[in-house]
Amino acid sequence: GENVEQHPSTLSVQEGDSAVIKCTYSDSASNYFPWYKQELGKRPQLIIDIRSNVGEKKDQRIAVTLNKTAKHFSLHITETQPEDSAVYFCAATQGGLTGGGNKLTFGTGTQLKVEL
Amino acid sequence: GAVVSQHPSRVICKSGTSVKIECRSLDFQATTMFWYRQFPKQSLMLMATSNEGSKATYEQGVEKDKFLINHASLTLSTLTVTSAHPEDSSFYICSARTGLAGGQETQYFGPGTRLLVL
Repeated sequence: GENVEQHPSTLSVQEGDSAVIKCTYSDSASNYFPWYKQELGKRPQLIIDIRSNVGEKKDQRIAVTLNKTAKHFSLHITETQPEDSAVYFCAATQGGLTGGGNKLTFGTGTQLKVEL
Repeated sequence: GAVVSQHPSRVICKSGTSVKIECRSLDFQATTMFWYRQFPKQSLMLMATSNEGSKATYEQGVEKDKFLINHASLTLSTLTVTSAHPEDSSFYICSARTGLAGGQETQYFGPGTRLLVL
């Protein structure tokens, strides 16, 4: 099955700096990679996702890059703000009508702290 | 995005009792829902995939007789923790997948249920 590794486990940045979180996956059949933000005691919220036919996607201060050959994808947050502080999870799955029921395999999470 | 609700948000029960958790998709039909368990400072671990009108598919190591899942309609899935014990205390989160082309894979999460078994 799929195995997703995520680094770093904790990340502390100064407000205004950029933050980068990296994930690698093992199953070359995976083709959908969402990123979730989870605040303490709350639900994971989808912040951005990317499909395997795209190398990069950007949404305001958030961007995701995907390298299919190397089987890794990264989350980039620019101009970080205190409200970006949370745990971020990457995930991978085979999308579409088939593919294991689209089960998401999550990374281990990154605790991001944005300091003033 | 799509809205998923979960009830109750928090439950405390005595050891040996059963607890039912409901997961509802409010503004879309979900043929597939997923149940996760999350221990403190850990990632989400998939317990089972709930398919409307058929039996759930459980992940390895998850006891299907202990964690009963029923997906009776396109908007409702329930998880019943039977004979709960303190080690079952955790944060249980459901998610629902939108079933439309182009968004097939996107999962939206419920707010979670914090279970404490005394």
